[in-house]
Amino acid sequence: DTEVTQTPKHLVMGMTNKKSLKCEQHMGHRAMYWYKQKAKKPPELMFVYSYEKLSINESVPSRFSPECPNSSLLNLHLHALQPEDSALYLCASSPSGERTSGNTIYFGEGSWLTVV
Amino acid sequence: KNQVEQSPQSLIILEGKNCTLQCNYTVSPFSNLRWYKQDTGRGPVSLTIMTFSENTKSNGRYTATLDADTKQSSLHITASQLSDSASYICVVSGYSTLTFGKGTMLLVSP
Repeated sequence: DTEVTQTPKHLVMGMTNKKSLKCEQHMGHRAMYWYKQKAKKPPELMFVYSYEKLSINESVPSRFSPECPNSSLLNLHLHALQPEDSALYLCASSPSGERTSGNTIYFGEGSWLTVV
Repeated sequence: KNQVEQSPQSLIILEGKNCTLQCNYTVSPFSNLRWYKQDTGRGPVSLTIMTFSENTKSNGRYTATLDADTKQSSLHITASQLSDSASYICVVSGYSTLTFGKGTMLLVSP
């Protein structure tokens, strides 16, 4: 199993809603990531969890709140988002930290988020 | 500043033809270089990963090369298929960084 599974695939939410994006991997990877990708742009790193602890937060606004309940699951809680937050949100995992030489990062299919 | 530049920005080729995509980087120190394929609206899929000592690596019809001296990499696609239409992203790791290129958009035309 070399998959990173993300749900939902599509999400439309209002600016006052609270929703969550979910990510799951069963490859035994100990690092998991959230990236944000706007159209025709490369992915931008948001958060990194290493061994279930938040190790990197790239100055992401507090309306995005990550959670890592266990080594296989990663959530992104969304609250009071803005229309400019509409993007493809990618979850990824790797055997260990992003900064480790030779690591392959496996990406999920992404969750398309539209904020109205 | 760490940078990854890809060229061309976009490319259209006929089905069955070969093509080569370029990636130049200024990431230092260098750890590894990866090529990803990203279909529109989907997550990137890893094609190859190369470390400093590797000059070439193949994955089916995809062959990546790396010249660590000139800090250049290429991705060669042989006998292109319609399903190769996608964005190809070069990603370079330093020891404490991960830098994405903006990608090359490839369209394979019948």
